Amino acid sequence: GEDVEQSLFLSVREGDSSVINCTYTDSSSTYLYWYKQEPGAGLQLLTYIFSNMDMKQDQRLTVLLNKKDKHLSLRIADTQTGDSAIYFCAESPVSGGYNKLIFGAGTRLAVHP
Amino acid sequence: NAGVMQNPRHLVRRRGQEARLRCSPMKGHSHVYWYRQLPEEGLKFMVYLQKENIIDESGMPKERFSAEFPKEGPSILRIQQVVRGDSAAYFCASSRTGTSGNNEQFFGPGTRLTVL
Repeated sequence: GEDVEQSLFLSVREGDSSVINCTYTDSSSTYLYWYKQEPGAGLQLLTYIFSNMDMKQDQRLTVLLNKKDKHLSLRIADTQTGDSAIYFCAESPVSGGYNKLIFGAGTRLAVHP
Repeated sequence: NAGVMQNPRHLVRRRGQEARLRCSPMKGHSHVYWYRQLPEEGLKFMVYLQKENIIDESGMPKERFSAEFPKEGPSILRIQQVVRGDSAAYFCASSRTGTSGNNEQFFGPGTRLTVL
């Protein structure tokens, strides 16, 4: 079945690293995505990883992929107050023709001084 | 290059009325997707369209909901005889490609529908 799971809340201190975790079910997913949603706004694509990669780094963002365990994580280094938002992971499984994105419920990141 | 445009941003309807939500994809994008986000939940896929064609409507409720993407003009998501349970944020996304390669979808700001 199609089910993406994330923890709902994460609270970190400004300057620390944040790690947001996600598990997915469909091993056919070729790409896995991380989106950011700020209050009242749409979704902003942060980064994505191709399924044959283990890691991808983009400035303060590091994505780790464990295909065996179907586990995806997003690490934000030096977390800032502007990083406070909801973070969604999403997969694009072959069962959906790679057309539809299957989203987790989102992790609400709160950054405090 | 303007992003995905949606209007209205906020829409209030009474039960039984019709809601029409519009989406203009990014320039050069011919693939449009509609998603619904209920409060405190993630986005759920509704429908995928290309110009003049519905490709996948597996996430659309069987009744009262319809979508189109005409040759000219924006994509329209239409909800007839709205009920309170239709209150949600409706997001449109567009992509340059469909099934081949990285189906990177760019999202609009959403339309927040409130049914009284």
